[in-house]
Amino acid sequence: IAGITQAPTSQILAAGRRMTLRCTQDMRHNAMYWYRQDLGLGLRLIHYSNTAGTTGKGEVPDGYSVSRANTDDFPLTLASAVPSQTSVYFCASSEQGASGANVLTFGAGSRLTVL
Amino acid sequence: GQNIDQPTEMTATEGAIVQINCTYQTSGFNGLFWYQQHAGEAPTFLSYNVLDGLEEKGRFSSFLSRSKGYSYLLLKELQMKDSASYLCAVINSNYQLIWGAGTKLIIKP
Repeated sequence: IAGITQAPTSQILAAGRRMTLRCTQDMRHNAMYWYRQDLGLGLRLIHYSNTAGTTGKGEVPDGYSVSRANTDDFPLTLASAVPSQTSVYFCASSEQGASGANVLTFGAGSRLTVL
Repeated sequence: GQNIDQPTEMTATEGAIVQINCTYQTSGFNGLFWYQQHAGEAPTFLSYNVLDGLEEKGRFSSFLSRSKGYSYLLLKELQMKDSASYLCAVINSNYQLIWGAGTKLIIKP
């Protein structure tokens, strides 16, 4: 089934540790995104990539980094996790980047708890 | 600032009709989305409106009034499986997607 695969599904992490959330899509979509979802808030964009080899900062990029070496993979790295990064993280993709009405396809999410 | 307002929670009865409202104040407008998100799952696309009026898709309809900065999602013949959160999102003039916090819809038998 075509879609987005995220790993891990859930993780508990000690503060200060490095963590990479993996995201792979098989739809050959050009654009990919990382969002975080926190109770009472709308989805907030962390980083995005309009095409392989390019990345950009979203609304809340501090403490996170991404890379887009190829079309399919878009990992999100927390260099030194802090408790405020406890959240549910969603990877998403769309056929095109920021140029119009791009329907997003989301992965199932990664629930991260930083203690 | 940019703001999307939706009710936090609504309750409705199986078989009934419910209207979920969304008002927005954004820097420009290039379209509005509705997504459905079941608890613990990913959001999934429901509808997209860019012109004023009503878009009907089966039991779900979405309405837009750009002059009023207002949209609603209408769900008819409610089923228990419609219990979910409904997310409103607006594309602003910079093609940024601004999300509301979502409306949790509880369906009672």
